[in-house]
Amino acid sequence: EPEVTQTPSHQVTQMGQEVILRCVPISNHLYFYWYRQILGQKVEFLVSFYNNEISEKSEIFDDQFSVERPDGSNFTLKIRSTKLEDSAMYFCASIPGLAGGIGETQYFGPGTRLLVL
Amino acid sequence: SQQGEEDPQALSIQEGENATMNCSYKTSINNLQWYRQNSGRGLVHLILIRSNEREKHSGRLRVTLDTSKKSSSLLITASRAADTASYFCATEGRDDKIIFGKGTRLHILP
Repeated sequence: EPEVTQTPSHQVTQMGQEVILRCVPISNHLYFYWYRQILGQKVEFLVSFYNNEISEKSEIFDDQFSVERPDGSNFTLKIRSTKLEDSAMYFCASIPGLAGGIGETQYFGPGTRLLVL
Repeated sequence: SQQGEEDPQALSIQEGENATMNCSYKTSINNLQWYRQNSGRGLVHLILIRSNEREKHSGRLRVTLDTSKKSSSLLITASRAADTASYFCATEGRDDKIIFGKGTRLHILP
């Protein structure tokens, strides 16, 4: 069964550094998402992406965040200047998008655990 | 097979009826959460139940957890058209790892 994959599984970085989290969605999917979960808290929506542009973003997704689908395969989340509070698990998800995203199952990746020191 | 598997995969009921969705998992957990996704948008957190709890209520939602059977259920009472969505369970394991299921697509018929 096809799966969403994410790399790396763990990343440790220094405060102020840039990080890029990578996701490979399922190949024929059209909608892509990033979520994060700070340890002990609920999963929070960050951004959705369709047709090479952001379709929706939350208030968490400020100017330090950006997303990109550079090569039609990878879907990346860049954090420009990391802060301590960016430490979290980051999940990528994708959906087929055949019904315009309505009522479709999201397929989640295993997550990347980011630790900012 | 996946940790956090929901069943049924799809459910259609008449407005006003109760909807029950189930989630099974394989390993020990710290907590289990239910989320809703509307129309291809982001997940909305519904309710969290900890491993030492058996039942929680929130409005028309009732969640149960049976750790001996490694299963949880989400009951939506007196369903409304606006409840049409996909519902996901997510388990947080002892290693703090979160695993999502594939969800149940709920369709409320007028």
